Amino acid sequence: KAGVTQTPRYLIKTRGQQVTLSCSPISGHRSVSWYQQTPGQGLQFLFEYFSETQRNKGNFPGRFSGRQFSNSRSEMNVSTLELGDSALYLCASSNGQGVGEKLFFGSGTQLSVL
Amino acid sequence: AQSVTQLGSHVSVSEGALVLLRCNYSSSVPPYLFWYVQYPNQGLQLLLKYTTGATLVKGINGFEAEFKKSETSFHLTKPSAHMSDAAEYFCAVAPLGGGTSYGKLTFGQGTILTVHP
Repeated sequence: KAGVTQTPRYLIKTRGQQVTLSCSPISGHRSVSWYQQTPGQGLQFLFEYFSETQRNKGNFPGRFSGRQFSNSRSEMNVSTLELGDSALYLCASSNGQGVGEKLFFGSGTQLSVL
Repeated sequence: AQSVTQLGSHVSVSEGALVLLRCNYSSSVPPYLFWYVQYPNQGLQLLLKYTTGATLVKGINGFEAEFKKSETSFHLTKPSAHMSDAAEYFCAVAPLGGGTSYGKLTFGQGTILTVHP
């Protein structure tokens, strides 16, 4: 079974631009969560999607948005990029049926904002 | 709000020595607790989790953790370290709250484990 796939692996953008990151979950998983990982703030929850609906959201500004498609693939978008948005963005998939479920993480997209 | 504190951002041990990574949580009720490991340039991988039941939880690669409610702790141990254990380890808690908690974990700041030959 293929794991969680995130594309692209690396991205370099400049301030003010927007970016879209993609995540393909494990086959059969209906929940996709997104996390931001930085050296200073650690791992922070962005949002979670299940069956194309956002079920849960972290404390990030509205510049961070996401969506999920009918095949469970998910994208997240960051508009008007700031230097502080430089981070590793991880997505994780699961069945989405319980709070204590195991999350399967992708290798992440490393975003650098110049 | 729940939080997780990992004591020690860096831990160094010799190969074959005991590994002890500390994690304390704050929660008014026992939450679900997890340990994840992250190898360089990779995502996170679940080592073990505690939900209910037995307080001593065994995970992959010889790791185990014990949930101690009285101490609000969930420390990770391994009797004998191997070079391949070198990685960053994260303790995490899943908030109780039903549907609004799906997919959301609160992570500690991480502990980098170095294993010396």
